[in-house]
Amino acid sequence: QQQVKQSPQSLIVQKGGISIINCAYENTAFDYFPWYQQFPGKGPALLIAIRPDVSEKKEGRFTISFNKSAKQFSLHIMDSQPGDSATYFCAASMGSARQLTFGSGTQLTVLP
Amino acid sequence: DGGITQSPKYLFRKEGQNVTLSCEQNLNHDAMYWYRQDPGQGLRLIYYSQIVNDFQKGDIAEGYSVSREKKESFPLTVTSAQKNPTAFYLCASTPRTGGWFFGPGTRLTVL
Repeated sequence: QQQVKQSPQSLIVQKGGISIINCAYENTAFDYFPWYQQFPGKGPALLIAIRPDVSEKKEGRFTISFNKSAKQFSLHIMDSQPGDSATYFCAASMGSARQLTFGSGTQLTVLP
Repeated sequence: DGGITQSPKYLFRKEGQNVTLSCEQNLNHDAMYWYRQDPGQGLRLIYYSQIVNDFQKGDIAEGYSVSREKKESFPLTVTSAQKNPTAFYLCASTPRTGGWFFGPGTRLTVL
């Protein structure tokens, strides 16, 4: 049972462009939505996270947009750089259960 | 220097062997987790523990076992019953306030 669906599977963007990755969830009890960045052979690192009481959160070039009614959230990477090339995972959790459910990942390639 | 350490970084297993992956954290986090990652796929939960001496099965627990005798340590044993163990294994921990932190991973290969 896939509770968090992520798209696209892969994304190629030119340097300076905007990268957009989308996720949709099913469980309305989810109350924490993080995004992770993973480089090959490394563990995922927390990039940015949002809770459902806000519609947008921005940290530097990274922005999460959250649409509670549509049960969707997305990651926007502004001014994408080759160093941003990595796999990005969205995730969701319920505070009471303290389990993190991951999307399937998006492999981002930023061309120089 | 706080964080999560996993060892070894690479591990090779022969058919029929049990192997144990180490995970240690000095973040004073209550909960610890083991995830499995296959190439091009997301992370799947194997086991988790929210308190010492207690742990719960995740989505793919068959062929794995864990223990949680200390708050800082959550070792994972991959038993011979796990028929397809070649994967990247990730340990994570989280405090009560939330926010998952991951270790660097162990890559297990079956020879």
